[in-house]
Amino acid sequence: DAGVIQSPRHEVTEMGQEVTLRCKPISGHDYLFWYRQTMMRGLELLIYFNNNVPIDDSGMPEDRFSAKMPNASFSTLKIQPSEPRDSAVYFCASSPGVYSYNEQFFGPGTRLTVL
Amino acid sequence: AQKVTQAQTEISVVEKEDVTLDCVYETRDTTYYLFWYKQPPSGELVFLIRRNSFDEQNEISGRYSWNFQKSTSSFNFTITASQVVDSAVYFCALSGGAAGNKLTFGGGTRVLVKP
Repeated sequence: DAGVIQSPRHEVTEMGQEVTLRCKPISGHDYLFWYRQTMMRGLELLIYFNNNVPIDDSGMPEDRFSAKMPNASFSTLKIQPSEPRDSAVYFCASSPGVYSYNEQFFGPGTRLTVL
Repeated sequence: AQKVTQAQTEISVVEKEDVTLDCVYETRDTTYYLFWYKQPPSGELVFLIRRNSFDEQNEISGRYSWNFQKSTSSFNFTITASQVVDSAVYFCALSGGAAGNKLTFGGGTRVLVKP
């Protein structure tokens, strides 16, 4: 079975440009999570969805960030306008159920560089 | 709020030595779950093990073992007879209670296994 798929794997853009990161969760998984990893802040949860509905977006840094999940097999994380401090690795993860013991399966990540 | 602390930032060993990674957590919840994830140089996050707060039995799975002690809020992880392929960053994570299945990660411990 395919794991979590993320695209692009690498993105280099200039400050002020719009960036869209994409994620396809594992089929049948009800939960989808977006994380950001930086040297300074480590791994931090940005937002997560349950059955395509955003449940907790308290980790989204500011209004420049937005996330959508139009259907069960696709989610996007958009940054507009991008800034150099947004440079990080962005991970998408999915989980099969509602229980806290369900492990999360991570995608390979998107390495974003904002110049 | 939940918190996970990994005091060791980097550990260097020679192949075949055992490696123990420390993890200390904070939570007010009585039901919670602890995880270890591995992030090899390729960048993806790989689930290794999970433990719930009601089961303090320590286990061994292949070369991996873990020591869960609620009295000290610790969830330590040991790699026995380390191999070069074990070189990676290891993350301890916590979920459960009011946080639901949101994962709170520690800062990670980088393990370098030298041949």
